[in-house]
Formats: sequence, C-alpha cells, structure tokens
Amino acid sequence: GQNIDQPTEMTATEGAIVQINCTYQTSGFNGLFWYQQHAGEAPTFLSYNVLDGLEEKGRFSSFLSRSKGYSYLLLKELQMKDSASYLCAALDSNYQLIWGAGTKLIIKP
Amino acid sequence: NAGVTQTPKFRILKIGQSMTLQCTQDMNHNYMYWYRQDPGMGLKLIYYSVGAGITDKGEVPNGYNVSRSTTEDFPLRLELAAPSQTSVYFCASSYEGQVTDTQYFGPGTRLTVL
Repeated sequence: GQNIDQPTEMTATEGAIVQINCTYQTSGFNGLFWYQQHAGEAPTFLSYNVLDGLEEKGRFSSFLSRSKGYSYLLLKELQMKDSASYLCAALDSNYQLIWGAGTKLIIKP
Repeated sequence: NAGVTQTPKFRILKIGQSMTLQCTQDMNHNYMYWYRQDPGMGLKLIYYSVGAGITDKGEVPNGYNVSRSTTEDFPLRLELAAPSQTSVYFCASSYEGQVTDTQYFGPGTRLTVL
C-alpha cells in the first residue's frame, strides 16, 4: 500500500532550527511536496522536490533522498508565526498526491 | 484574483439530507480537486477533474458526485448525508498541463452531519 509517515507533533523554541522528517512508500514517485497549514485554514504550498538534494528558499529548506524514500523540511530562525501543521505529500505514478497526516509544530518563546 | 473560493464556510446537515458544496476558481486552471480532511488525518482525494467535462474518482468517492461544466466551477454533491461525511472539505486547483505544479486551495467548508 501507499503510505506517508511523519511525526504527529514537534515543539521548538523561537529563533531555533527544527527539522521535520517524512518517509514515503508509493507506487511510483513523481516528486514530494511540503505544505503549511495554519489551524482552521487551507494548506499553502512551501516546496516541491523531485531530484535528490537540498532546495533552499529563505528560512525554509527541503531535502529529498529518492533511494531512501525520505524527505525533510528544515525551518531556520523560527518565528511564532511558524506555528502550524506541516503536510508532506508524495506524487505517485498516477500523478495523484498521497498525503501524510501532518506534523503539528508548536513554537515556544 | 480571488483565487479559489468555496461556499458555504459552515453547514450542519441532518442524516439523509443532500447538499452541494460550491467551488470556483478564477485562475483559468484546468485541474481541480476535492479533498476531505478528518481531524488528525491527511487529505483524502474525493474526485478530480483535468478539464471541463472530464472528471475522475479519487481515493474516497463513495457518497459523492461531481460535475465540471465550465473551467471555473467544480461543485461537489453529497446525496443522503451520513455522519461519516462529517469533515472539512477543501477544493483546490492547479495550472494547466503541469501535474507536478502547486495546488491552490480554497478556504474549506466545515460540514457536520447529525
């Protein structure tokens, strides 16, 4: 079956760095997305990786290892507004997104 | 651009009632999607459309129907509502021809079936 695993909840301190991991098992693979979802709001796009390696975009970076079925989202210089759920989603061979349950990130002052 | 809009924002239905969730996008996207999100769970794809007149089932289509008569609109119909359909429903769209492209989400409809 197809499956996405990510931690349910993480806590970090304002100004620090946090890494949110995601492992995936899909029938075929056409890339991995990270979305941010604030409580009660719609998901918004953060990043898309299809090749191995690190993609940096400001304070957020996303890494992919296709051979390991693994990705992470790295958030630097954490701000209180980064408190949200972070959703990992893999695109399978039919170009359908398989979504993880999300990681709730709590930022403490 | 308004992006993706959904109505209503909230709705309470009785078991057995029917309703239509509306979704409209003004970005001229050909691809549109309906998801449901249960508490603590990932998004589940209900139906999607790759263009006007073309729809296909996703992972959890039972109990739902869709139509796509125009590029802009993609309504989701619930027939004979059941408590298991209590969820948050998101409509999304993405740019034509780029299946790996960003999906833009509407604000969601929170549906409770009692």
